[in-house]
Amino acid sequence: ETGVTQSPTHLIKTRGQQVTLRCSSQSGHNTVSWYQQALGQGPQFIFQYYREEENGRGNFPPRFSGLQFPNYSSELNVNALELDDSALYLCASSFDTDYEQYFGPGTRLTVT
Amino acid sequence: AQSVTQLDSQVPVFEEAPVELRCNYSSSVSVYLFWYVQYPNQGLQLLLKYLSGSTLVESINGFEAEFNKSQTSFHLRKPSVHISDTAEYFCAVTRGSGTYKYIFGTGTRLKVLA
Repeated sequence: ETGVTQSPTHLIKTRGQQVTLRCSSQSGHNTVSWYQQALGQGPQFIFQYYREEENGRGNFPPRFSGLQFPNYSSELNVNALELDDSALYLCASSFDTDYEQYFGPGTRLTVT
Repeated sequence: AQSVTQLDSQVPVFEEAPVELRCNYSSSVSVYLFWYVQYPNQGLQLLLKYLSGSTLVESINGFEAEFNKSQTSFHLRKPSVHISDTAEYFCAVTRGSGTYKYIFGTGTRLKVLA
């Protein structure tokens, strides 16, 4: 059974640019959630996708958007990057909107 | 809405000593509770979880946590820590039904001293 994978591991972007982060869910899971973890903080919920539809959103601006594909993998897109977007971005998958989420290793984004 | 408070941002403890990391939550509905561990430059690893049943839950590496509904707490304990337990520990809560997001605490950095 393959766990949750994320790519890339690290990336560096310049303020104002756009970035796409990718997540492959665990086998059998149809729900993907995204979290942002700023340095020294706990993860903050960004949004969740269930069967290709957004199923809830945290307190993040519209420049954070997502997508889920028929194979249940997902993308997180961030437009007009700001310095405060520098963080570890975590993806978690689950079966349906079930409580138990399995986390990937994260993507470390640095905005300069 | 749910919230989580981890009262201690850092906990230094000597090797082989006991440790308790505190977690309190707030919720008007039933909840599920989790402890995650994060090693430097890594993602989150599930340590243990409370969903229902016995209020005392244990992990395979000697940690345990007790769900206390009256005190709305889910403190994490280990009777004897090792250097390798040095990490960041996060408590998380989610609704017990129809849920879709985890609410995390701000984390407690456990530093085990030789």
